[in-house]
Amino acid sequence: DADVTQTPRNRITKTGKRIMLECSQTKGHDRMYWYRQDPGLGLRLIYYSFDVKDINKGEISDGYSVSRQAQAKFSLSLESAIPNQTALYFCATSAGRGPGDNQPQHFGDGTRLSIL
Amino acid sequence: AQSVTQLDSQVPVFEEAPVELRCNYSSSVSVYLFWYVQYPNQGLQLLLKYLSGSTLVKGINGFEAEFNKSQTSFHLRKPSVHISDTAEYFCAVSDRGSNYKLTFGKGTLLTVNP
Repeated sequence: DADVTQTPRNRITKTGKRIMLECSQTKGHDRMYWYRQDPGLGLRLIYYSFDVKDINKGEISDGYSVSRQAQAKFSLSLESAIPNQTALYFCATSAGRGPGDNQPQHFGDGTRLSIL
Repeated sequence: AQSVTQLDSQVPVFEEAPVELRCNYSSSVSVYLFWYVQYPNQGLQLLLKYLSGSTLVKGINGFEAEFNKSQTSFHLRKPSVHISDTAEYFCAVSDRGSNYKLTFGKGTLLTVNP
């Protein structure tokens, strides 16, 4: 079984719909992240969470919200989807507790989201 | 603010040839540097990382990278590539000023031809 699991893997929906992407992990990591990947742009950070009570905006948080339901679960919501949110979305986790504890991130296989 | 520039968006090479994928970064403080690989329809996998110590870092699948502070570079190299190395490669940087968040480059597509 994968350490970082994203559901669904693919989703096609219409403009204006509310969408939730889910991420769960079995690595026991405190830190979780949501990115979007667009061709030619690399990965950009949407939101991140360093523990259950900590939520932070990333580079491109407008139009998105998140919920950290438990240490192992971090969901991303699009309240009213628009076509330019069509992208590949990745969840990632990392270990580390203090500000100087910088550990590599581990990624899920991604959710391909298409908004018509 | 930190940033990463991957100088080549695409690098085509023949099998068994050497390859170098270039990465330059900017940061005002000490940095941590990473290379990730993304195979088709998969997430990113860590190839190697530089946190401190030796500037020559060895990773998985025969890749290595050298941290050059004076040139603010972290180029990825492999002496002999295989068809299976065809993938997209991402350089990433984090530092204390960004609360250790990762900033990614735009990626380099390595295509290994027979």
